[in-house]
Amino acid sequence: QVQLQESGPGLVKPSQTLSLTCTVSGGSISSGSYYWSWIRQPAGKGLEWIGRIYTSGSTNYNPSLKSRVTISVDTSKNQFSLKLSSVTAADTAVYYCARAGGVGATRYFFDYWGQGTLVTVSS
Amino acid sequence: SYELTQPPSVSVSPGQTASITCSGDKLGDKNVCWYQQKPGQSPVLVIYQDSKRPSGIPERFSGSNSGNTATLTISGTQAMDEADYYCQAWDSSTALYVFGTGTKVTVL
Repeated sequence: QVQLQESGPGLVKPSQTLSLTCTVSGGSISSGSYYWSWIRQPAGKGLEWIGRIYTSGSTNYNPSLKSRVTISVDTSKNQFSLKLSSVTAADTAVYYCARAGGVGATRYFFDYWGQGTLVTVSS
Repeated sequence: SYELTQPPSVSVSPGQTASITCSGDKLGDKNVCWYQQKPGQSPVLVIYQDSKRPSGIPERFSGSNSGNTATLTISGTQAMDEADYYCQAWDSSTALYVFGTGTKVTVL
């Protein structure tokens, strides 16, 4: 059973960089064919996809955030990470990591999610 | 940018059928999935590829997708089904996962 767990600072100052890590257990992040994504949800609002990284290391980002986002993978630690620069209060949200398949129609949905971590942007 | 629109809320009596719509341009040409999210919890996939149920999801959850509208149907709704529901699709033109606006289902 695959499990995902987010970790990182719960409080980030405005203009600084938000950094989160997702640790994958129950399977190797580099085996098989999967897309590993970050998704966020402001309190009381809907879900917003941030970006993804493929098993091979290639990335796709939400155009609305692309200039500020970097997603990377560390296969030795079975983790992938999110960096979001120049944060403002509007970036305050619960951040989730999630997995989608890498082939065919399995690419179009997320079958495993982390429990989420709240990141607050405030001075 | 591509948008998916859902009704903000749906109310249903226990044992009755709840239908949640998700509207988007030519949505029937895309693969649609649905997530259930209870307060303080992560989303859970309940329908994928328009109408398929993951293992462990009750048969009372079903889905369809045609034209500009996808529909999630909960038959014989139970109190435990009270939650927020989000549709989601992949927009190939922008290489973007798009989520619907979300629908709060209340079981009265």
